Amino acid sequence: NAGVMQNPRHLVRRRGQEARLRCSPMKGHSHVYWYRQLPEEGLKFMVYLQKENIIDESGMPKERFSAEFPKEGPSILRIQQVVRGDSAAYFCASSPMAGDNTEAFFGQGTRLTVV
Amino acid sequence: AQKITQTQPGMFVQEKEAVTLDCTYDTSDPSYGLFWYKQPSSGEMIFLIYQGSYDQQNATEGRYSLNFQKARKSANLVISASQLGDSAMYFCAMSSNAGNNRKLIWGLGTSLAVNP
Repeated sequence: NAGVMQNPRHLVRRRGQEARLRCSPMKGHSHVYWYRQLPEEGLKFMVYLQKENIIDESGMPKERFSAEFPKEGPSILRIQQVVRGDSAAYFCASSPMAGDNTEAFFGQGTRLTVV
Repeated sequence: AQKITQTQPGMFVQEKEAVTLDCTYDTSDPSYGLFWYKQPSSGEMIFLIYQGSYDQQNATEGRYSLNFQKARKSANLVISASQLGDSAMYFCAMSSNAGNNRKLIWGLGTSLAVNP
């Protein structure tokens, strides 16, 4: 039973390029949360998605960032025209149903470096 | 607004001794959940323990226990019999149990070093 899978583990982009981060939730999980961890800081909530729906995007920057969770395939966090300040670890967590929070299953994260 | 405070940026403990990592929280929600996660140097986020605000007993998971004091709004993590492999960052987090959105609010973490 595979856990939450994130890829790539490490991603290097030049300023101005696009970054696509993928998250495949655990089997049977239809709820995904994305978090960002800046260096030396805790995680910050970005967005909460269910299949084909964005439920809460209150933590997403207003520009350049978008997220989706299609009916088929992984959830994608997309960052357009990356800047140095986007360098961070991005974590995805999944849960089986709405309102289930006894344990949030995290992926290993994607470390984005913008050069 | 919800907030998590971890006042200890770094802690040292001798191998085989117990250590307490502090966490205080602030919320106006009547129902909420409290979590502790471990982040080793490899970077992954490992779930350790969960406490629901209405749970009567303090949560325990092996060597981890959560000292939940609701009136004080504290949820300290106790690690007994520390091992070298416990050296890592430890994060306290909280979710509201109102509604279906279980997003987590995180503290800044405590770096624990276990000395041989």
